[in-house]
Parts: sequence; structure tokens; C-alpha cells
Amino acid sequence: AQSVTQLDSQVPVFEEAPVELRCNYSSSVSVYLFWYVQYPNQGLQLLLKYLSGSTLVKSINGFEAEFNKSQTSFHLRKPSVHISDTAEYFCAVTSISSGSARQLTFGSGTQLTVLP
Amino acid sequence: NAGVTQTPKFQVLKTGQSMTLQCAQDMNHEYMSWYRQDPGMGLRLIHYSVGAGITDQGEVPNGYNVSRSTTEDFPLRLLSAAPSQTSVYFCASSYYGSGTYSPLHFGNGTRLTVT
Repeated sequence: AQSVTQLDSQVPVFEEAPVELRCNYSSSVSVYLFWYVQYPNQGLQLLLKYLSGSTLVKSINGFEAEFNKSQTSFHLRKPSVHISDTAEYFCAVTSISSGSARQLTFGSGTQLTVLP
Repeated sequence: NAGVTQTPKFQVLKTGQSMTLQCAQDMNHEYMSWYRQDPGMGLRLIHYSVGAGITDQGEVPNGYNVSRSTTEDFPLRLLSAAPSQTSVYFCASSYYGSGTYSPLHFGNGTRLTVT
């Protein structure tokens, strides 16, 4: 079984400032890692994923996350946020083993609020 | 593409009533699932299916039933609604099988209130 901890439930930040949303996971097997974003009254959208290869993964809108196996972390960062980045962000994990590769375990979410 | 479509968007039920939340996808995805989202708890898996005729329980299945008669549809049934089932429900789908992992596609959710 896996678990995900998002340490910060709310992160307020001023526009154009950098931000880091923290995610730690626990698993006894190898995992895939994800960040999803949820805008108000919408479903979740995949922001970025780590499956294998380079431990630094990037999204098309400037976010990046680094898989750190020794620290079991997958923190999300952006060097300069915009008002439009205001949303709730969820970290998720799934084991690589077949048969369960679609059953995501989600963290409790971090509400990012970008202030003008 | 419509993607994953959930109906209704909003629903209010009285305790003890039954209802079905509908989910349909047009991407020919084998895998479909239902999650509930509650404040401070993220999303928790209720039931999932890896193909027509195959369903299994997730983390929080009690009080919910599912069936999968077609690839496209995966309805979630509440047989006797309880206030504890007040939540936002999300349906999600993806390709399933060996090979490259396929991420989940989510619907826009059904907001259910049980009084």
C-alpha cells in the first residue's frame, strides 16, 4: 500500500514570486508519481508525471517536479507564478506492478492562492 | 471529443433515497473508476473496472454499487443515501494493459448533498 503526504494545505504567494508545493510518499514498491491540478468547479487535470528516466519532469506551463527516491519526495516548483495558477494541487502515487497501475492514491491537496 | 461526461452536475437527496450517478467516456478506455472528494482528504477510490463485466472495490466501497455492461458507461448507484455520502464524486478513465502507462482522465464531477 502507498500513502501520500502534502504538508501544506494552503499556500498563499504573491504574483511573480517562486513557489514550492511539497509532497512526500511512502511505498514498499516502485512507484509512478503525479501532480494533478483542479481549477474551481472542474475535474482534475494531469499537470506532470514521473514514470522513469530523468528525475526532473516539466509541464508546458512552467511547473517542474523532481523525483527524489532517497527522500521519497516529489515536490512541485514554479519560479514565477501567475494569478491564473490559483488552484488546488494534488500529488498522487501508484505502484508500478500490473493490475494496480491505475489505482491512484492521492494526497489531501494544497490550495495555491496567487495574490496580486 | 467529449472525454468523460458525468451527470447530473448537482443533486440533493433525502436520507434513504436512491439514485444513480452516470459516467460515460468516448475514448474507448478499458479502465474506469469512481472517486469521492472530501475537504482535507483528497480523493478516495470507491470502485473501479478494468473492462466490461469486471468490477472491483476500492478504498471506500460501502454504500455504493457499480456495474459495467459496456465499455463506455460506468454508473455508480447509491441504494440508500446517508448524510456521510455528501461529497463531490469524480469518474475517471484510462487505457489499461501492459506497455506505456496511461494517465487518468477525469470528468467534471457530481456534487451530491444528502439531507
